[in-house]
Amino acid sequence: AQTVTQSQPEMSVQEAETVTLSCTYDTSENNYYLFWYKQPPSRQMILVIRQEAYKQQNATENRFSVNFQKAAKSFSLKISDSQLGDTAMYFCAHDYGGATNKLIFGTGTLLAVQP
Amino acid sequence: DAGVTQSPTHLIKTRGQQVTLRCSPISGHKSVSWYQQVLGQGPQFIFQYYEKEERGRGNFPDRFSARQFPNYSSELNVNALLLGDSALYLCASSFDRTNEKLFFGSGTQLSVL
Repeated sequence: AQTVTQSQPEMSVQEAETVTLSCTYDTSENNYYLFWYKQPPSRQMILVIRQEAYKQQNATENRFSVNFQKAAKSFSLKISDSQLGDTAMYFCAHDYGGATNKLIFGTGTLLAVQP
Repeated sequence: DAGVTQSPTHLIKTRGQQVTLRCSPISGHKSVSWYQQVLGQGPQFIFQYYEKEERGRGNFPDRFSARQFPNYSSELNVNALLLGDSALYLCASSFDRTNEKLFFGSGTQLSVL
């Protein structure tokens, strides 16, 4: 079964510091995408960063970067210089593969950035 | 350009009733997907529609149905509502069937009493 596991229900970080959110997944696909989505109180899911599994280089988007370990099926998100606006639920996801863009999500990590 | 729009934003129904949720994708996007997000959980895939045809279905009962219109907007219907159907229903659009860049709306919060 394809699954995504986020083992940290809640995390807290001081403003301007760095925090890492963990994610592991299980898939039988060889080519797939991995994602981190942010869900603020507005409830809209916002794409933070994505990683293509066949690329060894870790994806980066400004203050957000990932540590992708394909063999270990691990995909962690690092947020540098945390800002108050980063406070949100963060969901890790991977695509199901095949001829659809169905995503499988983890249960989320609630990140609180403290002033 | 407008993002993905969903209506209504909130809805209260009673058990046994039927509900219709609506979604308008980003202009130019031909694929619409529906997700159910129960409180405290991640979104769970319900349906994907592309070019007015169902392209994927999640593990949901037949009480859930959907359709896509020629303008690519979509409706999600749920019949015989149960308390457990209370959730945030999210719509996502993408350019085509397999494009991995999904853009989500802000959802419809359904409460079943």
